[in-house]
Amino acid sequence: GQQLNQSPQSMFIQEGEDVSMNCTSSSIFNTWLWYKQDPGEGPVLLIALYKAGELTSNGRLTAQFGITRKDSFLNISASIPSDVGIYFCAGRNTGNQFYFGTGTSLTVIP
Amino acid sequence: ETGVTQTPRHLVMGMTNKKSLKCEQHLGHNAMYWYKQSAKKPLELMFVYNFKEQTENNSVPSRFSPECPNSSHLFLHLHTLQPEDSALYLCASSQAGTVNEQFFGPGTRLTVL
Repeated sequence: GQQLNQSPQSMFIQEGEDVSMNCTSSSIFNTWLWYKQDPGEGPVLLIALYKAGELTSNGRLTAQFGITRKDSFLNISASIPSDVGIYFCAGRNTGNQFYFGTGTSLTVIP
Repeated sequence: ETGVTQTPRHLVMGMTNKKSLKCEQHLGHNAMYWYKQSAKKPLELMFVYNFKEQTENNSVPSRFSPECPNSSHLFLHLHTLQPEDSALYLCASSQAGTVNEQFFGPGTRLTVL
């Protein structure tokens, strides 16, 4: 079945550094979403992207919908300790099927 | 209460037990979802309900039985589970037709002994 390849699987960074993670698919997607999940909680939607090439920001977070419609990236600028968590990409393909990536675990070292 | 709530937050059960997970959403949504989250695996969509009608069942074993009595409540009835069913079970809701913008509950951490 469809797989979303999310990388990296984990990241250890110093507070204040910028972070970048991405997600790729084998088929064309109509929608890309980025979620964050804190320990013991459900995922929370951070950014939703609906058009190829779209670049959207939410505070220190910026995400882009790839022009090929097969990828998306999420950047976090000037990381802080509360950015710790697991970040998931998700998307809906042209067949209206919805998939989640395997997640990127982010650790921020103060 | 606001958002999506789930009870219990933690559940330990034996393979012969029968238990139920409950989800309630206070967002005025009309679509609800059950997901299974296992370590190092993508979220697996189990069931979808739109306007109280089940519209999707992703080949989930019959030992998982969903129930949606109204658009605000969703249950997952469990019986004769297996240890490999241990996982975090997440409920989500959205407006029907906008599966993109799902709001998730905190999940129920299930352990099957």
